[in-house]
Amino acid sequence: DGGITQSPKYLFRKEGQNVTLSCEQNLNHDAMYWYRQDPGQGLRLIYYSQIVNDFQKGDIAEGYSVSREKKESFPLTVTSAQKNPTAFYLCASSLRRRDGEQYFGPGTRLTVT
Amino acid sequence: QQQVKQSPQSLIVQKGGISIINCAYENTAFDYFPWYQQFPGKGPALLIAIRPDVSEKKEGRFTISFNKSAKQFSLHIMDSQPGDSATYFCAASGSPLEGQNFVFGPGTRLSVLP
Repeated sequence: DGGITQSPKYLFRKEGQNVTLSCEQNLNHDAMYWYRQDPGQGLRLIYYSQIVNDFQKGDIAEGYSVSREKKESFPLTVTSAQKNPTAFYLCASSLRRRDGEQYFGPGTRLTVT
Repeated sequence: QQQVKQSPQSLIVQKGGISIINCAYENTAFDYFPWYQQFPGKGPALLIAIRPDVSEKKEGRFTISFNKSAKQFSLHIMDSQPGDSATYFCAASGSPLEGQNFVFGPGTRLSVLP
């Protein structure tokens, strides 16, 4: 089955700890994205990557970091510098940046206490 | 200019009724307008999309109406069913040459009563 997988589905961390969210796709898509979703708000772009070893900040990149060492993988690290990390995190991919459909993963709900 | 406004925030419709969700944008460089459907605890899924060269696109019970001059587009769900109960997001995207990514509206929570 082709698609995007995110793991884990639920993640709990103590304040001050870094945490890495996994995102893998087997769609052979060039572009990958990370979004944050908070209740009552739309999706906000954290980081995106158009090709391997290249990524760009989105609208709310502060406190987050990413890497793109392989085409199929785009992990997101939520660092201790992120002031309000509790949220639903969504990974997406598209064949090319901007062109057509973005396919979303099932999401990871991160709770930091 | 990067915002996409969406209304209403929530919508309750009787089974068999028509659900209408509206979106408006400012940036005339946007040229792709998708609608996503999201069920609780799941990722959004593309429902239907339109480009500005047409004024309407229909897929089954779902129709997008697009008004380029008014910079507005809307989603119509005909014969709404309880299974349509979800959050709907409109979005817009434009040219990567101008640094434009997808911009999402804040979402509309639709409840279809049986």
